[in-house]
Amino acid sequence: DAGVTQSPTHLIKTRGQHVTLRCSPISGHKSVSWYQQVLGQGPQFIFQYYEKEERGRGNFPDRFSARQFPNYSSELNVNALLLGDSALYLCASSLRPPTGMEQPQHFGDGTRLSIL
Amino acid sequence: GQQVMQIPQYQHVQEGEDFTTYCNSSTTLSNIQWYKQRPGGHPVFLIQLVKSGEVKKQKRLTFQFGEAKKNSSLHITATQTTDVGTYFCAGPYNTDKLIFGTGTRLQVFP
Repeated sequence: DAGVTQSPTHLIKTRGQHVTLRCSPISGHKSVSWYQQVLGQGPQFIFQYYEKEERGRGNFPDRFSARQFPNYSSELNVNALLLGDSALYLCASSLRPPTGMEQPQHFGDGTRLSIL
Repeated sequence: GQQVMQIPQYQHVQEGEDFTTYCNSSTTLSNIQWYKQRPGGHPVFLIQLVKSGEVKKQKRLTFQFGEAKKNSSLHITATQTTDVGTYFCAGPYNTDKLIFGTGTRLQVFP
């Protein structure tokens, strides 16, 4: 079975632009989460989606948004890009029980976003 | 806000030496998860601990969850060069957020 797939793998943007990152979860996983990982730090939780609804949100500005599609794939959108948005963006999928983020997260390889 | 701290930040060991990383949460956790991230890679799930005082072993790795469910540790016996990477603990908060620790980067010299 395929793991979590993310696209693109690398992306270069300039300040003020918009970006869309894509994620396909492991087959059978209905929960998708997004994380931002700045070099040298741990992953920072951005969003969790389950059954097309946002179920969790981290401390990120409204420039960050996401959605989940009927096939459980997901998109992360970031508007008005800033230099500080340069990071590795990780998507993870999991089996989500009713109690939430208590299942192991299976990560994709990430999208490395560079802002010039 | 919720914080998960890990110490040490870095650890350099000679191959064959033992290694331990400690994880401390500002609040009680329902469970603690451990992940390993190799240089240039993505986090890979290692294990989940749920019960107070729980100890689990995976070959040379021993994981422990504190009695108060606010701290955890990972101990590696007789490190190998394949153990190189950054080890993260992570805990769920408010059921819908997974908060990662600050990580401990392990370097093993042959």
